[in-house]
Amino acid sequence: ETGVTQTPRHLVMGMTNKKSLKCEQHLGHNAMYWYKQSAKKPLELMFVYSLEERVENNSVPSRFSPECPNSSHLFLHLHTLQPEDSALYLCASSLRSRETEAFFGQGTRLTVV
Amino acid sequence: RKEVEQDPGPFNVPEGATVAFNCTYSNSASQSFFWYRQDCRKEPKLLMSVYSSGNEDGRFTAQLNRASQYISLLIRDSKLSDSATYLCAVTFLSGYALNFGKGTSLLVTP
Repeated sequence: ETGVTQTPRHLVMGMTNKKSLKCEQHLGHNAMYWYKQSAKKPLELMFVYSLEERVENNSVPSRFSPECPNSSHLFLHLHTLQPEDSALYLCASSLRSRETEAFFGQGTRLTVV
Repeated sequence: RKEVEQDPGPFNVPEGATVAFNCTYSNSASQSFFWYRQDCRKEPKLLMSVYSSGNEDGRFTAQLNRASQYISLLIRDSKLSDSATYLCAVTFLSGYALNFGKGTSLLVTP
């Protein structure tokens, strides 16, 4: 059983669709993250939220839009994606940002067709 | 220049062998260090933190060398179930999150 849950686990979407990924953490953590994992590449940090404030945005295209309504929930809104955006999207949380270990959800495997 | 680098492997070792992985980081202002394990098509899971004095957890030993800017993971008496990708992760003072290497693939064979 994981303290970080992501839905959906799998998503296939067309380039003109709009969809959202959801992440919920039950660990009482104050920081949440979105990472992208593509084949043969390291985990790429996309966004960091600390106490519901976005503190880092790593040059991510605007077709990805994060939302953090409270410290337990994180969303990633997707629109007009490209096939190269197909990847595993991982949510993580940690007690604090910067220095503490992060715990990951099971990820959403996204395929853009 | 990549900030966190690992030898991608694969490392193929027989059961019972000892295997070691290194991970180098380019930012000397690094704060925290971790090893994660990732099974095929699963999420990364924390294996262990890496402390300055080195630390051990059963068959796993982690070391940190700040002068040379690398961390290492030693696995003794390898089991078939150790087969996975091992990711090192580093936090930098200038950032807010873990920075990961590409991972090192380990296959333990009977």
